[in-house]
Amino acid sequence: SQQGEEDPQALSIQEGENATMNCSYKTSINNLQWYRQNSGRGLVHLILIRSNEREKHSGRLRVTLDTSKKSSSLLITASRAADTASYFCATDNAGNNRKLIWGLGTSLAVNP
Amino acid sequence: DTAVSQTPKYLVTQMGNDKSIKCEQNLGHDTMYWYKQDSKKFLKIMFSYNNKELIINETVPNRFSPKSPDKAHLNLHINSLELGDSAVYFCASSQDPGNIQYFGAGTRLSVL
Repeated sequence: SQQGEEDPQALSIQEGENATMNCSYKTSINNLQWYRQNSGRGLVHLILIRSNEREKHSGRLRVTLDTSKKSSSLLITASRAADTASYFCATDNAGNNRKLIWGLGTSLAVNP
Repeated sequence: DTAVSQTPKYLVTQMGNDKSIKCEQNLGHDTMYWYKQDSKKFLKIMFSYNNKELIINETVPNRFSPKSPDKAHLNLHINSLELGDSAVYFCASSQDPGNIQYFGAGTRLSVL
């Protein structure tokens, strides 16, 4: 069953602005992962954050994890038109054959 | 060298036909997956193999049959294609279950 839920479903911003996407989940996790999918392409891994971590950075990306609220956020700073894509969160649940449970994605449009 | 490659990229076929999609990874990973992504971008796990053993078999019609001849390959055979099978099918691999997944470029299947 799908447990990750991203919000917003769609986000439109201007170049240079920051974009924040949220992901909520329902059960205990080992890790939470964020992926990007450009139109017509496969998904690309961005960041993995483990359940005992609270924040991770990678370039212009910042991911936070709040296990008490069962939520994560992905912040993209100083956005660029090339950041236009769909962003998915996926959780590695404890047990459950370790399959990733995927969210429905946030569609981000960065306007030049 | 493409890490996860799947063929064909596009597949257009008539209802009732049988077709196969092939996937190969050169990352030395133990785990491979098949996903179906519908027009709303919902990503649904179909199957997963770990060391050639089937570990995830979601609620998928038995017209879909995966085959893993070795750890580097996971093929998907679909019998008696139906209109509802039209979607993009993604192959992915990971070091082990629950870990970061690497996706192929996708196979866009259109059933007419």
